[in-house]
Amino acid sequence: DVKVTQSSRYLVKRTGEKVFLECVQDMDHENMFWYRQDPGLGLRLIYFSYDVKMKEKGDIPEGYSVSREKKERFSLILESASTNQTSMYLCASSSPTPGMNEQFFGPGTRLTVL
Amino acid sequence: AQSVTQLDSQVPVFEEAPVELRCNYSSSVSVYLFWYVQYPNQGLQLLLKYLSGSTLVKGINGFEAEFNKSQTSFHLRKPSVHISDTAEYFCAVRMNTGFQKLVFGTGTRLLVSP
Repeated sequence: DVKVTQSSRYLVKRTGEKVFLECVQDMDHENMFWYRQDPGLGLRLIYFSYDVKMKEKGDIPEGYSVSREKKERFSLILESASTNQTSMYLCASSSPTPGMNEQFFGPGTRLTVL
Repeated sequence: AQSVTQLDSQVPVFEEAPVELRCNYSSSVSVYLFWYVQYPNQGLQLLLKYLSGSTLVKGINGFEAEFNKSQTSFHLRKPSVHISDTAEYFCAVRMNTGFQKLVFGTGTRLLVSP
């Protein structure tokens, strides 16, 4: 069974802390994505990666960075957490093969910044 | 650029009644279309997708959707809903060439009551 896992389901951090959210996929997918989900706004793309050590900004990259040192792992970093980064964070992966375009999602990390 | 509109933020329906969740998109190029479902406290799961071919697409859990190019719509339907269908549903679109960046709608919460 294909799987995307995220390191934490729930996380509480303080303003100014550096926060790491980890995502691992076991499907050998080239593409990986980080989204945040907020009520009434749907999913918004933060960063994505189409290969190891490659990264591209999504629609809302400000305040975030990412790291992809290995194919299966994609990390989201909040350099200095702020209260407006309280949200649900979803990781996804996909294959670039035509016809296999759907993204597979992890269970999400609900981050609260106090 | 692509965009997706889900006009209904919430759809209440009684068990065993039919339901339609609306999705309209805008794009200047040909697209692929997806519906995802998110059950409470879970990640997103693919319901169905349209890549090409027949405009009527059948998915999991008895859902189906019809691609209408002239109306730029991809509405999701189910003839008889169950309590267990209570969830949030997201429509998504991406170009059928190039990198696989998905654009999501804001979601529709389906509330099924007995």
